[in-house]
Amino acid sequence: DAGITQSPRHKVTETGTPVTLRCHQTENHRYMYWYRQDPGHGLRLIHYSYGVKDTDKGEVSDGYSVSRSKTEDFLLTLESATSSQTSVYFCAIRPWGGRFYEQYFGPGTRLTVT
Amino acid sequence: TQLLEQSPQFLSIQEGENLTVYCNSLSVFSSLQWYRQEPGEGPVLLVTVVTGGEVKKLKRLTFQFGDARKDSSLHITAAQPGDTGLYLCARPGDSGYALNFGKGTSLLVTP
Repeated sequence: DAGITQSPRHKVTETGTPVTLRCHQTENHRYMYWYRQDPGHGLRLIHYSYGVKDTDKGEVSDGYSVSRSKTEDFLLTLESATSSQTSVYFCAIRPWGGRFYEQYFGPGTRLTVT
Repeated sequence: TQLLEQSPQFLSIQEGENLTVYCNSLSVFSSLQWYRQEPGEGPVLLVTVVTGGEVKKLKRLTFQFGDARKDSSLHITAAQPGDTGLYLCARPGDSGYALNFGKGTSLLVTP
């Protein structure tokens, strides 16, 4: 158990509204990641963080922003949600010292944009 | 560009059967990981393979890394309903920070 929680676990929101998803970890890991998972596309990286206030874009970052003001929290924000952002969102951590980039995932947030 | 191709995409078998799923790439990779994801949950790391030709066993699961480090396979012996899930392979990305995932093989084992 890598001590990762995500909140909320489920959310339904309307098009055009802002949404923030939270990932919280308890073990002081440096690297944190946000993925989305969609049928036919697999897991795709949205943004990642390699330290407090250090973040970078992944392959599907358009329409998303992130913030990391504390080691334990990594926030994903949809500034103006669209129906194409309906998905399951996973947060992951990579333990410091992991030579082979192993990642450990949270339980996911199912987001529906109507 | 999909760096990792997984096959088959779907597999439905009966309890007790054996199966093999594959993960292939056109390029060499330094290491490869296999994850299993059960419905409604996040992926869980099963194993990391590093050396060409390496074989690792996890109970009834056997993981093999190809000699040229461009492919990997997962063999399950005597499948059980508890093996049902999405099997994902992943390799380090070019950024040096993240992983690239295949689209997965969805396995259903029926009693």
